[in-house]
Amino acid sequence: GAVVSQHPSRVICKSGTSVKIECRSLDFQATTMFWYRQFPKQSLMLMATSNEGSKATYEQGVEKDKFLINHASLTLSTLTVTSAHPEDSSFYICSADSQGVEQFFGPGTRLTVL
Amino acid sequence: AQSVTQPDIHITVSEGASLELRCNYSYGATPYLFWYVQSPGQGLQLLLKYFSGDTLVQGIKGFEAEFKRSQSSFNLRKPSVHWSDAAEYFCAVGGFTSGTYKYIFGTGTRLKVLA
Repeated sequence: GAVVSQHPSRVICKSGTSVKIECRSLDFQATTMFWYRQFPKQSLMLMATSNEGSKATYEQGVEKDKFLINHASLTLSTLTVTSAHPEDSSFYICSADSQGVEQFFGPGTRLTVL
Repeated sequence: AQSVTQPDIHITVSEGASLELRCNYSYGATPYLFWYVQSPGQGLQLLLKYFSGDTLVQGIKGFEAEFKRSQSSFNLRKPSVHWSDAAEYFCAVGGFTSGTYKYIFGTGTRLKVLA
């Protein structure tokens, strides 16, 4: 149980385009979903926290207009990187919890912006 | 605010040797503690977790960790390392910051295993 999927696993896009990443909880309802960013050989940095039906809460320094988060249902959250640039290239990981203290992580999405 | 320190960026051990990865945390209350492992290009796999109770926690793949409140530590151990254990290891603390529950990750320790 407690499986989280992400789609796509890899995406390559041109500079200036927008990219959407989906995060789904497959076998439980996720009260809260989290989006992390991980640069090569670095740790995970929390970008934002989203609750179903509410606006996401962004961490300090994260541009909310650049990284749009939508948590439309209890099983789906999406992260849209708008007008992507090469510096947005990174590994994006989502996680979800169900009113507990443990987060369940997705497999990650590798974004490369050319 | 909570914080996590993993003092060792890189550790190299020989296959069959014992391993200890250090994790120190700062948090005002009893934290929820986790160890994850990440292989290159992959997501996180939970090794073990501590919420309460017995301070020695057993996890998957032969790993264990001990919560020491007096030292604010949650070190990960394995008695005999296998070559397949080579990976990045992250310690995480779960706690409330400004009313929101979130994880804070340590910077990670990269384990190299010599044959």
